[in-house]
Amino acid sequence: GAVVSQHPSWVICKSGTSVKIECRSLDFQATTMFWYRQFPKQSLMLMATSNEGSKATYEQGVEKDKFLINHASLTLSTLTVTSAHPEDSSFYICSATTQGGETQYFGPGTRLLVL
Amino acid sequence: AQRVTQPEKLLSVFKGAPVELKCNYSYSGSPELFWYVQYSRQRLQLLLRHISRESIKGFTADLNKGETSFHLKKPFAQEEDSAMYYCAPQGEETSGSRLTFGEGTQLTVNP
Repeated sequence: GAVVSQHPSWVICKSGTSVKIECRSLDFQATTMFWYRQFPKQSLMLMATSNEGSKATYEQGVEKDKFLINHASLTLSTLTVTSAHPEDSSFYICSATTQGGETQYFGPGTRLLVL
Repeated sequence: AQRVTQPEKLLSVFKGAPVELKCNYSYSGSPELFWYVQYSRQRLQLLLRHISRESIKGFTADLNKGETSFHLKKPFAQEEDSAMYYCAPQGEETSGSRLTFGEGTQLTVNP
């Protein structure tokens, strides 16, 4: 149980375009989802916390207009990288947790390459 | 400020040797503490958390509040233990299940 999927697993796009990444909890309802960014050989950096039906809470230094997060249902959160630039190239990982739950269940990640 | 330190980026041991991955934290309140592991080409997954006081895959971790440490230990390392290990304190009262990840320690167990 507690499986989280991400789609796509990798994406290549041109600079200036927008890219949407989906995060789904497959067998449980996720009241909270988290979006992380991981650079090569570095740790996970939390970008934002997303609660179902409410606005996401962004970490300091993360542009909310650049990284749009929508958590419209208890099983789906999306991250849209708007007007992507090469410096946005990274590995994006989501995780999900149930209400009151302590354990985060992680997705496999999405590798984004902006040309 | 919330901070977690894993002083060793790389750790290499031989099979059968004891291994200790260090973690020190600076956190307000009484955080929950977790160890997450990422095996090659796999997603991040929970290894253990201090509140459950359990041993997973032979690993244990003791919370030392005096030293603010949560070191991960295993008496006899196995080759399949080779992975990236992250120490992660969890949230203050206002931040729910928010995790802060350390820089990680890449453990290599040599045959």
